[in-house]
Formats: sequence, structure tokens, C-alpha cells
Amino acid sequence: DAGVIQSPRHEVTEMGQEVTLRCKPISGHDYLFWYRQTMMRGLELLIYFNNNVPIDDSGMPEDRFSAKMPNASFSTLKIQPSEPRDSAVYFCASTLYPAGYEQYFGPGTRLTVT
Amino acid sequence: AQSVTQPDIHITVSEGASLELRCNYSYGATPYLFWYVQSPGQGLQLLLKYFSGDTLVQGIKGFEAEFKRSQSSFNLRKPSVHWSDAAEYFCAVGEENSGYALNFGKGTSLLVTP
Repeated sequence: DAGVIQSPRHEVTEMGQEVTLRCKPISGHDYLFWYRQTMMRGLELLIYFNNNVPIDDSGMPEDRFSAKMPNASFSTLKIQPSEPRDSAVYFCASTLYPAGYEQYFGPGTRLTVT
Repeated sequence: AQSVTQPDIHITVSEGASLELRCNYSYGATPYLFWYVQSPGQGLQLLLKYFSGDTLVQGIKGFEAEFKRSQSSFNLRKPSVHWSDAAEYFCAVGEENSGYALNFGKGTSLLVTP
């Protein structure tokens, strides 16, 4: 398996622009997680899905953030409008319940908002 | 409130020396415990995990960790560190009733000197 795939790997955008991050989980996994990593706050869970349904979005910082999972093989995290404080590395992870509970992480998307 | 604490932000060890990275958690129920490693610019890789049973668990790359319920700790150890072990190490805790979404510690940065 190719593992969790994220695109783009790097994104530089200007404040106010819309940003869309993409994730393809490992085939057959039924949970998908979005995390954000910053120096100040470390790794934070933003939202997670089970069988394409959002279960907990309490970690989404503001209404500017939205996430969707239209099917089992694709998810997006959108920021509109983006702000400099959104600059971070965004990770997607997937897992198959209950097999091992291990979350497999993608390589991350480094977002820079200027 | 649920929390994961890694008391050491940075640790420096000499190559060949032993290593112990500390992790303490505060959770109501018996959590699921993980150690992940992150090399610069990379995603997170699982080193080992604990769910139940033997409290001493073995992982990849020669790492092990011991779950101590009485101390609410899950410290990571390695008897002899290699230069390639230099990386960021994260302790994480998950719970069944939160969909196994992970709560991460702030991480410990390991530097290995010759």
C-alpha cells in the first residue's frame, strides 16, 4: 500500500486566500483524522471521521476551517479565508478499527500564509 | 481534564548511552498508549503501543516502553542510542470512547552526540 497520501506537500498563500488540503487514506481504513502541528501548540486533533461521517470537530479552531469526506478514499480540509496564524504542518492519519488502533500518518502539508 | 505530559523538551545523549524519555498521562479510564517518532520534515512513525497485558512492550528500532499504572507513566527506553535516533519523540494517548483520536504530548527532541 502507498500509505496515507497528502497533497500538496507545501503550500504558500497570501492572507485571505482559500486553501484546500487533500488526503487519501489507506484503502480499507474506516477512521480518518486531521491534525495540526505548530511549535506553540504541538500536535492538535482538528476533526475525525468514521465511515466518512464527521464524529468530532471540536478541535476545529474557527468557522474558517471546514473538512469533508465525500467518500472513503478522499478527504479535504479547507481554510477560507486563510490567516498567517494558520501557518502550520497539517497531518492526515487513518486507521482501521479495531485492528491494532495504530494511526498511520501522512507526510503532512506545510502551510505558510503570508 | 485529560492530558499528556512529556516533561523534557530537549534531551542530549552520547551515542551508545542509554536513553529514557518520560511520559505521564492523566486519564479517567485505562488509556491506549503510544510512542511515535518524527524525523525532520517527515510524518510520524509508530514505535510501539500498549493496550493491555504485559506492561513492558517492545517496539521497532530497539525501543521499549513500560506502562506503570500506579505512576500514570509510559516511559520510552533504549539501551544503546544510535546517531540515527536523533528525532522528535511524541507520547500519545487514546481512548475507546473518543474513537481512538490521539492526544499528543508536546514532544521531546533528542540530540545524539558522538
